Amino acid sequence: DQQVKQNSPSLSVQEGRISILNCDYTNSMFDYFLWYKKYPAEGPTFLISISSIKDKNEDGRFTVFLNKSAKHLSLHIVPSQPGDSAVYFCAAIDFSGNTPLVFGKGTRLSVIA
Amino acid sequence: DGGITQSPKYLFRKEGQNVTLSCEQNLNHDAMYWYRQDPGQGLRLIYYSQIVNDFQKGDIAEGYSVSREKKESFPLTVTSAQKNPTAFYLCASSSDSYGYTFGSGTRLTVV
Repeated sequence: DQQVKQNSPSLSVQEGRISILNCDYTNSMFDYFLWYKKYPAEGPTFLISISSIKDKNEDGRFTVFLNKSAKHLSLHIVPSQPGDSAVYFCAAIDFSGNTPLVFGKGTRLSVIA
Repeated sequence: DGGITQSPKYLFRKEGQNVTLSCEQNLNHDAMYWYRQDPGQGLRLIYYSQIVNDFQKGDIAEGYSVSREKKESFPLTVTSAQKNPTAFYLCASSSDSYGYTFGSGTRLTVV
């Protein structure tokens, strides 16, 4: 049973426009959510995170929104740049369960110049 | 510089052979993890260890084994019992529940 779902395997966006990557989760016990970015043949790197007590967190061009009632979060990238082309993983954790991060399957973002 | 090192970057194995992937960290992190990445499958947890001399199975532990004799090291052995071992393997470490640092990965190919 997949607890973290990224239903869009891929997304193409023009350079300069907004990229919106979506993530849904099923476990209401998740306390913290993260986005990782991954280039081919490299390990994922942390991008941005949000606590379940917040509904928005912003870091430069990257903003994550959390809608707890809908069990949905999204990552917005504005403006999108060609260097943003990568696979983005959504991840979540339940601190009380003392278990590792749970990752979604990822969304491949292609930013077209 | 502190970091997490996986070696080798590319590994070829004949069917029926065991192979061990190395993961070393000098971040003084207590917890270490092994994930497997397949196309369209995301990151799936194989094993994790939250403290030396202790480890737990993840979602896809069958056909794999690990050890955690030192804080810095968490090697993964892919045994002949793993039916489909060709994949990209990622090691990670963390000092808290969610601040994961990943290695650069090992691409294992069965020939």
